[in-house]
Amino acid sequence: NAGVTQTPKFRVLKTGQSMTLLCAQDMNHEYMYWYRQDPGMGLRLIHYSVGEGTTAKGEVPDGYNVSRLKKQNFLLGLESAAPSQTSVYFCASSYGTSQYFGPGTRLTVT
Amino acid sequence: AQSVTQPDIHITVSEGASLELRCNYSYGATPYLFWYVQSPGQGLQLLLKYFSGDTLVQGIKGFEAEFKRSQSSFNLRKPSVHWSDAAEYFCAVVYGGATNKLIFGTGTLLAVQP
Repeated sequence: NAGVTQTPKFRVLKTGQSMTLLCAQDMNHEYMYWYRQDPGMGLRLIHYSVGEGTTAKGEVPDGYNVSRLKKQNFLLGLESAAPSQTSVYFCASSYGTSQYFGPGTRLTVT
Repeated sequence: AQSVTQPDIHITVSEGASLELRCNYSYGATPYLFWYVQSPGQGLQLLLKYFSGDTLVQGIKGFEAEFKRSQSSFNLRKPSVHWSDAAEYFCAVVYGGATNKLIFGTGTLLAVQP
């Protein structure tokens, strides 16, 4: 039981490049979330999903897209990366109200 | 709007001393409250949660928290801190009904002196 895993762990992008972050969970959770963590700002919700095939915007969705084609996977896409998207990205999943977090992806956009 | 405030950005305590980390929330209804811990370079781990009932809740690693509705607070405590407790601690509240979305505080970074 791996819990919540994230791929990749680190990535450096140039401005304008695109990439996809993968989150996978093996706990059969319905709900999944993408957050970004920036110094002094805690975690902020980017997008979330309440089930396979559904997605919704969170607090800071601009510049990101998501897809939930399979229940166990939640993908976060950056179509045209900007330096402001330099951050640590965390995925989480939940069945009830308790969320379980992945180890994070550190993304740097130069 | 719902919000969570952690007034202490950084706290330093000596090993063996007691600890209290403050958390205040703004939420119209009865809140679901959480404390998470993040060790350097790691994800967040759930320490404890409060939904209802007994206002003093016990968590993992010897932590406890007390919900005080009159003060809109959910402070985290530990009677004797260990060096391994050095980490960042986040308070959070659920909002958004059935979607279980969390609002996080900005975190308190705990340093432990030998």
